[in-house]
Amino acid sequence: TQLLEQSPQFLSIQEGENLTVYCNSSSVFSSLQWYRQEPGEGPVLLVTVVTGGEVKKLKRLTFQFGDARKDSSLHITAAQTGDTGLYLCAGAPPGGSNYKLTFGKGTLLTVNP
Amino acid sequence: GAGVSQSPSNKVTEKGKDVELRCDPISGHTALYWYRQSLGQGLEFLIYFQGNSAPDKSGLPSDRFSAERTGGSVSTLTIQRTQQEDSAVYLCASSLAARTQYFGPGTRLTVL
Repeated sequence: TQLLEQSPQFLSIQEGENLTVYCNSSSVFSSLQWYRQEPGEGPVLLVTVVTGGEVKKLKRLTFQFGDARKDSSLHITAAQTGDTGLYLCAGAPPGGSNYKLTFGKGTLLTVNP
Repeated sequence: GAGVSQSPSNKVTEKGKDVELRCDPISGHTALYWYRQSLGQGLEFLIYFQGNSAPDKSGLPSDRFSAERTGGSVSTLTIQRTQQEDSAVYLCASSLAARTQYFGPGTRLTVL
């Protein structure tokens, strides 16, 4: 069974601060996705990383996939109150079952004004 | 439609009752997924449909859970003889083939 450990579980910061969220596993994934979920809504895909060592930037968000494709990080620069939400990472297993995502438990981020 | 829709948005039921949760995927999406999200837990995969077939139902927790999809579109997740541990948010997602999954807002199920 593949597991994804996210840390920290909770994060409360002031607007303008930087933060990093981690997603770790002992298993290899063919790709890894990051989602943001707001209360009462389903998760919304932010990015998919597929190549070991890959770095993707989405405005103030920087996503990195580990060289061994077992871990990933999400870094937010100059956080804003609109970044508040539950951040989930999800990995697709190697082989053909790339629909069967394994999700971490999430990092609940609160950005205070 | 514009996105994945689910109904009802909230469902409160008594232990032992059956419930049906509905998912309307994005038009044209061939793949459909059901997940369960419990407090403090990540999303737990339940079942995957490709068209009307369910090639992977390995995540269904027990034989009280079943799902069907008709016309390659709407899907229904049925939970029989509900238990308190079934309380959770049930999320549906759809995609083209096995590509990016688009999630609905979920149905919050509370079993008293």
